[in-house]
Amino acid sequence: GAGVSQSPSNKVTEKGKDVELRCDPISGHTALYWYRQSLGQGLEFLIYFQGNSAPDKSGLPSDRFSAERTGGSVSTLTIQRTQQEDSAVYLCASSLAPVSEQYFGPGTRLTVT
Amino acid sequence: RKEVEQDPGPFNVPEGATVAFNCTYSNSASQSFFWYRQDCRKEPKLLMSVYSSGNEDGRFTAQLNRASQYISLLIRDSKLSDSATYLCVVKSGTASKLTFGTGTRLQVTL
Repeated sequence: GAGVSQSPSNKVTEKGKDVELRCDPISGHTALYWYRQSLGQGLEFLIYFQGNSAPDKSGLPSDRFSAERTGGSVSTLTIQRTQQEDSAVYLCASSLAPVSEQYFGPGTRLTVT
Repeated sequence: RKEVEQDPGPFNVPEGATVAFNCTYSNSASQSFFWYRQDCRKEPKLLMSVYSSGNEDGRFTAQLNRASQYISLLIRDSKLSDSATYLCVVKSGTASKLTFGTGTRLQVTL
């Protein structure tokens, strides 16, 4: 079946612009996660959605970052006023339940110039 | 101190060799442990979970030492296709987020 999909696959933007990254989780998966991976760094947790519960936003690095998940399915990660240090690969993952295996999407490579 | 620490490598080994990676974690309350594999410019994929009693999956063996707070991965009879970065991953408490190490790069050569 279809895996986690993300769009766009690559995004180049100018410093100060806003960007939106999209994630389509596996159908039926109730849990959705956003991570980012910077060059030479491990994956860094950003935010977690589970069903209709309030999201765990503890990993968001600043108030320029926000995310929403509409209808318990698709999620959008928004970065406002992008900075060069935001350049990274942004990975989305979903799981059937919070304790289940997380399946990752191919990621969006964001470059801020 | 990082929550999850790994030797970044690279580990360069010939085909057929046995190679072992270690990983240490700082949160003694950590409950679940995993090894993920990440190929170059690809997303991470679960390789295996790590259980207290140790577990084996074909050529791969994972061990957990809670007292010393480290996890190991042993790969026997290395194949060229094993070349990748191996990520040590920890889940703590009731949180569902995963904490990743920076990964250990393995290069298997002819």
